[in-house]
Amino acid sequence: EVQLVQSGAEVKKPGESLKISCKGSGYSFTSYWIGWVRQMPGKGLEWMGIIYPGDSDTRYSPSFQGQVTISADKSISTAYLQWSSLKASDTAMYYCARKKTFVNSGSLIDWFDPWGQGTLVTVSS
Amino acid sequence: SSELTQDPAVSVALGQTVRITCQGDSLRSYYASWYQQKPGQAPVLVIYGKNNRPSGIPDRFSGSSSGNTASLTITGAQAEDEADYYCNSRDSSGNQMGVFGGGTKLTVL
Repeated sequence: EVQLVQSGAEVKKPGESLKISCKGSGYSFTSYWIGWVRQMPGKGLEWMGIIYPGDSDTRYSPSFQGQVTISADKSISTAYLQWSSLKASDTAMYYCARKKTFVNSGSLIDWFDPWGQGTLVTVSS
Repeated sequence: SSELTQDPAVSVALGQTVRITCQGDSLRSYYASWYQQKPGQAPVLVIYGKNNRPSGIPDRFSGSSSGNTASLTITGAQAEDEADYYCNSRDSSGNQMGVFGGGTKLTVL
């Protein structure tokens, strides 16, 4: 079974650092992009960034560039999302998801499946 | 534009058909994928590409696309289909991440 398992919920204070994880299993971890998605309380889904564990090629959404760091350790099939100095506004649920891509008759199809169960990050003084 | 636009809320009577739409310039070049999210749960892929359903997704879910609009149709909506639905595609720059629509809250009456 292909699955992504994320680390548990975190409660942190403003200014603290944090690294959350997403472990893949059941497939070749180095062959697919892994994306990170933020969902603030009561809000929609936002792409933060994406990494290709095979060569650690990483892309960030402009909104999150410089705010977070995405990395991966292919030896343990795990991707990471980290903050060096958390803010209260970082309080959200964070999901990882595997991307698959297919080209059909010259048209490109992307989809994200599976998704991790989510990691709730609460930042409060 | 790198944005995808969805209606914030849609309702459907039990057993009837509902269409949820997603508009954006990137949809002229890339197919959309659709995700269902129920309260307290992670998103689940329901449709990808022209009209592909992952294993386990009921065949009452279907997808279509025309011009800058992608659509998710539920034929014979069930109570368990009440959820938020999000579309996603690559943005116009071809960025590996893509962009999400704002989401549509589906209420089954």
